Amino acid sequence: AQSVAQPEDQVNVAEGNPLTVKCTYSVSGNPYLFWYVQYPNRGLQFLLKYITGDNLVKGSYGFEAEFNKSQTSFHLKKPSALVSDSALYFCAGKSTSGTYKYIFGTGTRLKVLA
Amino acid sequence: DGGITQSPKYLFRKEGQNVTLSCEQNLNHDAMYWYRQDPGQGLRLIYYSQIVNDFQKGDIAEGYSVSREKKESFPLTVTSAQKNPTAFYLCASSTQGQGAEQFFGPGTRLTVL
Repeated sequence: AQSVAQPEDQVNVAEGNPLTVKCTYSVSGNPYLFWYVQYPNRGLQFLLKYITGDNLVKGSYGFEAEFNKSQTSFHLKKPSALVSDSALYFCAGKSTSGTYKYIFGTGTRLKVLA
Repeated sequence: DGGITQSPKYLFRKEGQNVTLSCEQNLNHDAMYWYRQDPGQGLRLIYYSQIVNDFQKGDIAEGYSVSREKKESFPLTVTSAQKNPTAFYLCASSTQGQGAEQFFGPGTRLTVL
């Protein structure tokens, strides 16, 4: 079965420090991978995606993610965290084999401490 | 403004009642999706539609029904057969492109009284 895992329910980081939110995947073929952010009682907002090519993907609000095929990972990173980055982050994957289903991880709550 | 809207924002239902959640998009997207979000469980797919007048069951379709009569609209009905409907419901849309990201509505929080 295909799956996306976010091994940490919560990540705490001090403001100004780098942050990493982890994601690993088990998706057939060469997957498409996505990161979304959700603020309380809101829908998800798209941050970035990996389709093909450069393994380092840059997205909105200074976020970036690195695709690592050998480790089947797609970790979200930001060099310097802001308090306003505090939110729920979701990693999602999609097979390139023609399915239209997106597979979501369970989410990681990021808390940036002032 | 282009976007995807959901209404109502909050919905209260008595046990045994059917309720319908609205989802409308003006992004000209062919694909639309309904997800249910429960704490600690991420997003679970209820139904999805790739084209007008066609839709497929997702992972947790039991107790739910949908229609796709117009490209812009994908309403979800939560029937009395859904045993635990209290949740946050999210609608999304995307283009048909394989690597396309989804655009999400603001969500509807359904509470069964």
